[in-house]
Amino acid sequence: DQQVKQNSPSLSVQEGRISILNCDYTNSMFDYFLWYKKYPAEGPTFLISISSIKDKNEDGRFTVFLNKSAKHLSLHIVPSQPGDSAVYFCAASAGGYALNFGKGTSLLVTP
Amino acid sequence: DAEITQSPRHKITETGRQVTLACHQTWNHNNMFWYRQDLGHGLRLIHYSYGVHDTNKGEVSDGYSVSRSNTEDLPLTLESAASSQTSVYFCASSEPRQGNTGELFFGEGSRLTVL
Repeated sequence: DQQVKQNSPSLSVQEGRISILNCDYTNSMFDYFLWYKKYPAEGPTFLISISSIKDKNEDGRFTVFLNKSAKHLSLHIVPSQPGDSAVYFCAASAGGYALNFGKGTSLLVTP
Repeated sequence: DAEITQSPRHKITETGRQVTLACHQTWNHNNMFWYRQDLGHGLRLIHYSYGVHDTNKGEVSDGYSVSRSNTEDLPLTLESAASSQTSVYFCASSEPRQGNTGELFFGEGSRLTVL
């Protein structure tokens, strides 16, 4: 059973607006969460992470929010740019080293 | 620059043949992983290794094997390729820090087609 869920397969946002990508998880033992970005024909690249002891982490235009009680995290991209168009994967680990990934959300940022 | 490379990038094979996908990293990372990406499934873990001579099964390990004889390489072998193993395969490595996995660094992927 999928422990990391990204229920929106796709999202379309206008350039300059905010993109919000959501992720839910079921395993209470997850203590580290990451977002990866993937362009076609390339490997995923690390974007931003958050430890379970925090509820927010910010890096430039990217902010990840963690709501442990709801087992929910979100990635905010502000402002969105056409180069942000990619597939975004949410991932989590439970004290070990292997990551569990969601199915991904395809973001399209239109001019 | 340190990097992680996969070969071949594209492979077409026939059902029943043995196939090996190579993965080589120059970061000297202890952790290495193999994932497959399929439409509708995201990235699923096949096998992983936390060091030389250590290997572990992931969630979709049936039909695959790995061996870790040195730090740099983790080859993935399909003993008898099946059409269900047509996929894009990604190798990754990481160096754990502060009790977690740290970021995984991925290769560019190997697209395998089994006819």
